[in-house]
Amino acid sequence: QKEVEQNSGPLSVPEGAIASLNCTYSDRGSQSFFWYRQYSGKSPELIMSIYSNGDKEDGRFTAQLNKASQYVSLLIRDSQPSDSATYLCAVNIWRDDKIIFGKGTRLHILP
Amino acid sequence: GAGVSQSPSNKVTEKGKDVELRCDPISGHTALYWYRQSLGQGLEFLIYFQGNSAPDKSGLPSDRFSAERTGGSVSTLTIQRTQQEDSAVYLCASSVGGSADTQYFGPGTRLTVL
Repeated sequence: QKEVEQNSGPLSVPEGAIASLNCTYSDRGSQSFFWYRQYSGKSPELIMSIYSNGDKEDGRFTAQLNKASQYVSLLIRDSQPSDSATYLCAVNIWRDDKIIFGKGTRLHILP
Repeated sequence: GAGVSQSPSNKVTEKGKDVELRCDPISGHTALYWYRQSLGQGLEFLIYFQGNSAPDKSGLPSDRFSAERTGGSVSTLTIQRTQQEDSAVYLCASSVGGSADTQYFGPGTRLTVL
């Protein structure tokens, strides 16, 4: 079983709509969860981190964490063409003290 | 403050040559990570430093790859006898502490092996 799984996409969303990106993980001991955005040819940049069950909002972005179901999601409201990128989910593997990145979901916002 | 820096930004080398890639982490960050990303692929973990020690070298693909970190700061990734399959972007990241902390990435070094 892969430790961090994401749908590779591409996920196409109309401009102005809500984009929903999902990630599942296998280590029940994981404590820290991150969403990174990576534009083509650029390095990943942090969008949000989340550590507790529930929702965390930052501007147009909302991260949702459900430890019981072992999934974390990222919602992007009022999607803009500039949101078109690959979104990487990262989860810390507590027992190994390491971060595992998912392979990323390509998001395409349709103008 | 300054972010993570990497040099060179681009490196073109001939098959069989050795290359050194450098990473300068954010000041005060104790943890440093090296990743490799081939075109259109995800991040491939290579090695992790906590201070000058490397508790996890599990991602190094072969004994041609080595890395060191001195003074708890700058790190060098060395690839000996480069092969064409080594062509990729090599990314460095640093974090304040361990895996529970946010990693901040450098701009990467694009390595091309001819």
